[in-house]
Amino acid sequence: NAGVMQNPRHLVRRRGQEARLRCSPMKGHSHVYWYRQLPEEGLKFMVYLQKENIIDESGMPKERFSAEFPKEGPSILRIQQVVRGDSAAYFCASSPEQGRAFFGQGTRLTVV
Amino acid sequence: GENVEQHPSTLSVQEGDSAVIKCTYSDSASNYFPWYKQELGKRPQLIIDIRSNVGEKKDQRIAVTLNKTAKHFSLHITETQPEDSAVYFCAASGGYQKVTFGTGTKLQVIP
Repeated sequence: NAGVMQNPRHLVRRRGQEARLRCSPMKGHSHVYWYRQLPEEGLKFMVYLQKENIIDESGMPKERFSAEFPKEGPSILRIQQVVRGDSAAYFCASSPEQGRAFFGQGTRLTVV
Repeated sequence: GENVEQHPSTLSVQEGDSAVIKCTYSDSASNYFPWYKQELGKRPQLIIDIRSNVGEKKDQRIAVTLNKTAKHFSLHITETQPEDSAVYFCAASGGYQKVTFGTGTKLQVIP
């Protein structure tokens, strides 16, 4: 059973471009969480999804950011018109039910 | 929503000594409390967790205690080793709620 898979591991975008981050949860996991982490800082919650539903998006900026977890395929975190302040590590975690979440290796986004 | 506070933010101990990290939570509906270890440049890894129907859980050198009345939970690491050096995060969740993390404790074990 492969762990949580995120890709790409590293992503470089110019200001104004779109960034698309993918997360494939562990087999059998239907809950996905996205977190953002700046260097030397904690894990800031962005969004919590179940298949085809957004459960809690209270941590996600209302503009430029969106997330989905379709019936088939990975969860996608999409950042439109990226700015330098979007540079961070974005971690996805999945769980089979409430709690016991396992993290992917993260996508390190650099905006130049 | 849930708010998790974690102390201390940094902790230095001599190799072989014990380390204790404390967290408090605000939502009495939270019933699941995991702890994660994150080494530099790596993903957070689940090291131990406890549910609210249990007061204490131990796994080799690490243990977690939970006081539901006071809304406190703690991580105890005994006989610390240099490889225990990392950032440790506590977290809380309940029902269909997001997992809310504390701000992290940077543990340094001095050989």
